[in-house]
Amino acid sequence: EVQLVESGGGLVKPGGSLRLSCAASGFIFSSYNMNWVRQAPGKGLEWVSYISSSGSYEYYADSVKGRFTISRDNAKNSLYLQMNSLRAEDSAVYYCAREGDYGGNPDVFDIWGQGTLVIVSS
Amino acid sequence: DIQMTQSPPTLSASVGDRVTITCRASQSISSWLAWYQQKPGKAPELLIYKASALDTGAPSRFSGSGSGTEFTLTISSLQPDDSATYYCLQYKSFSRTFGQGTKVEIK
Repeated sequence: EVQLVESGGGLVKPGGSLRLSCAASGFIFSSYNMNWVRQAPGKGLEWVSYISSSGSYEYYADSVKGRFTISRDNAKNSLYLQMNSLRAEDSAVYYCAREGDYGGNPDVFDIWGQGTLVIVSS
Repeated sequence: DIQMTQSPPTLSASVGDRVTITCRASQSISSWLAWYQQKPGKAPELLIYKASALDTGAPSRFSGSGSGTEFTLTISSLQPDDSATYYCLQYKSFSRTFGQGTKVEIK
């Protein structure tokens, strides 16, 4: 079964750091570009970051640029998001999402994890 | 960045009704548009990609149309299971952007 499972969320103080992980299974992880997408409580979806299949290319939303770093370990079938200088507005459910092979570049998100909740509060 | 404007924010319709949701892009995105369905507490699920292609497993009552800057998602005959929030997504640029969402309620 194709699956993504996030972990690492929790309560953190403003200015603090957190590292999210996403474990992939059921597909050849090293062949797919990956992303993080977040959703603040009761709000819409916001794309956060992209990493290419090899890890050579990264893109970030302006709202997190310079504070968040995406990375991956293809040997461990894992995706990561290092979040520094966290703000209250970073509070959200963070989803890892696989980019499918639907003919686009970039492409749509076809597989999502269940999400991990990050709360930034003093 | 490309802005996506989705309307209406909410709609209420009866079972069997035809429902249409609109998404407008701030610049041309060709056909690089997808539609997602999200139910409370769950991750979004892909319905439509490339503006009008139905994803495997998505019910055939869902259809998409449009190109350039104007797109629509249509549910031909609303079912109780369609109660959810729907989002459009532009993927012309790596800086992907979603519409604000449309919450569909069943009367």
